[in-house]
Amino acid sequence: KQEVTQIPAALSVPEGENLVLNCSFTDSAIYNLQWFRQDPGKGLTSLLLIQSSQREQTSGRLNASLDKSSGRSTLYIAASQPGDSATYLCAVSLPGTNAGKSTFGDGTTLTVKP
Amino acid sequence: SQTIHQWPATLVQPVGSPLSLECTVEGTSNPNLYWYRQAAGRGLQLLFYSVGIGQISSEVPQNLSASRPQDRQFILSSKKLLLSDSGFYLCACPLTGSGELFFGEGSRLTVL
Repeated sequence: KQEVTQIPAALSVPEGENLVLNCSFTDSAIYNLQWFRQDPGKGLTSLLLIQSSQREQTSGRLNASLDKSSGRSTLYIAASQPGDSATYLCAVSLPGTNAGKSTFGDGTTLTVKP
Repeated sequence: SQTIHQWPATLVQPVGSPLSLECTVEGTSNPNLYWYRQAAGRGLQLLFYSVGIGQISSEVPQNLSASRPQDRQFILSSKKLLLSDSGFYLCACPLTGSGELFFGEGSRLTVL
């Protein structure tokens, strides 16, 4: 059974700092890995999707890496801003399964202080 | 791109009352649809998924049921709510090909 762990559970940083969020998974035979952002009381917004054949994806100040062999992914946020404050979740799906059947971590709640 | 609508956004129901949460999708046809539940401060748990009209698969035994009466409509129901049914319910739909998962805005259910 796939298990996804996100560390730390919460993180507080001053504005402008670069930071890394971690995600680990137990079954390395994944189809893809996806990072989401969730604001309080809201649904999930897709940030980055990494296919199993890829090593990283970038969007603006965000960079996500994937190391399947070690079962790890990181989300790097450059020059953090107060607007980045949210909960960040990672999710993995397995090949051969229904594409939306993802296993989620519990998330990292990020607070960026002005 | 596809858009996922959920309603109601918020619902407060007494124990033992029925439930109906609705999800509709625009901008795609014959989508796979998913119901997830999120407990407070936790990740998401897959409840049901559907690959087509009338086709429902359940991932966990529970007090809830799902139906797919139309191609782009997915409904989550209960005949009698339990306290443990409280949570944030999210409908999701993956993009064909990439599998990138997109979510609706969610329905927050409080059972009292």
